[in-house]
Amino acid sequence: KAGVTQTPRYLIKTRGQQVTLSCSPISGHRSVSWYQQTPGQGLQFLFEYFSETQRNKGNFPGRFSGRQFSNSRSEMNVSTLELGDSALYLCASSWQDRSTGELFFGEGSRLTVL
Amino acid sequence: AQKITQTQPGMFVQEKEAVTLDCTYDTSDQSYGLFWYKQPSSGEMIFLIYQGSYDEQNATEGRYSLNFQKARKSANLVISASQLGDSAMYFCAMRELNQGAQKLVFGQGTRLTINP
Repeated sequence: KAGVTQTPRYLIKTRGQQVTLSCSPISGHRSVSWYQQTPGQGLQFLFEYFSETQRNKGNFPGRFSGRQFSNSRSEMNVSTLELGDSALYLCASSWQDRSTGELFFGEGSRLTVL
Repeated sequence: AQKITQTQPGMFVQEKEAVTLDCTYDTSDQSYGLFWYKQPSSGEMIFLIYQGSYDEQNATEGRYSLNFQKARKSANLVISASQLGDSAMYFCAMRELNQGAQKLVFGQGTRLTINP
């Protein structure tokens, strides 16, 4: 079956702009979570959506937002981009299996802010 | 608060040798899950192995095994018979199972290089 698909894979923006990243989970998966990966901070949890509701949010400013649609596809938005927002943004999906909680990740969207 | 510590920034191993990647964790919860992921240069996080806090036996998946020592809060990954394709970043992560949300806390990672 198809894996987690993230688009776009690469993008370049300038400071002050906004960006929207998309994530299509594995078919049947209802939970989608987002992570930011930078060389300095490592992998950090942004937020998680389940059945169109945000269930958990990491320690990021309000410029970072997201949503989930009825088909479980998710988008995240970053407004007023800063240089420090340059990162690999990873999306993960899961069925919501409490026994394993295995998350399947996409290949990520690599954002460069100039 | 949850915390994952990986003390080996880099490891260099000869092909076909076994390698152990260290991971220690800190949590106040009794119910939690431990994961190892592999991240090649392409960026994708590839799931390797999972260990639940109540699992009595160490998890194994092919060449991967997890050496789970609960009292020491240790969850080391063992890769047997290493291959050149094993060269990548490896991340240890933890999820608290009492919470409904799918949130993982990751360690800083270990860069593994397999030499021919």
